[in-house]
Amino acid sequence: DTAVSQTPKYLVTQMGNDKSIKCEQNLGHDTMYWYKQDSKKFLKIMFSYNNKELIINETVPNRFSPKSPDKAHLNLHINSLELGDSAVYFCASSRNRGPEAFFGQGTRLTVV
Amino acid sequence: AQTVTQSQPEMSVQEAETVTLSCTYDTSESDYYLFWYKQPPSRQMILVIRQEAYKQQNATENRFSVNFQKAAKSFSLKISDSQLGDAAMYFCAYRSAGYGNKLVFGAGTILRVKS
Repeated sequence: DTAVSQTPKYLVTQMGNDKSIKCEQNLGHDTMYWYKQDSKKFLKIMFSYNNKELIINETVPNRFSPKSPDKAHLNLHINSLELGDSAVYFCASSRNRGPEAFFGQGTRLTVV
Repeated sequence: AQTVTQSQPEMSVQEAETVTLSCTYDTSESDYYLFWYKQPPSRQMILVIRQEAYKQQNATENRFSVNFQKAAKSFSLKISDSQLGDAAMYFCAYRSAGYGNKLVFGAGTILRVKS
């Protein structure tokens, strides 16, 4: 009964490949997010969706494309992977009127 | 834009002792939330404590309490009776009020607990 779940937990891939990370939340939340944690552990927002509508799109390369088929799912597709994309990617969700964000367990992406 | 600063890259505490982690933030907003998240080696982000800016009373959750100084834009975390399981990276975070707003994180503080 995991609240926010991401798959896969680990992803190792070669430069130039295309990969996707899936996220699902069973909390009934309206808003979902993708955060990136770099090698220095710094966490930064990438995208935010509210009821399937994109509301935050930080300065992220076009190679990153989020997709929200419904408000319980937010997937992240990455094209033409580069070495610098190696990081931990976290999905999170929150209620519209709730301040807390609940995080998934993270996906460690390694590009070789 | 809001910024969050954690000036202590690393802290150590003896088991059963008390430690305080510092956090300052910069904002022009009056309505916002502040958080402390814990990230153990498992990398799961765990919410430790939350403070609403409109509340003067400092939040407390068992052994964890905060010292919220709104005018000084300071938000420190005090961990009492430290336990080995408290060892982790701790992140201070800011969020504007209103729906869908992002969390802005500090750089984190590594907390080591000595037995």
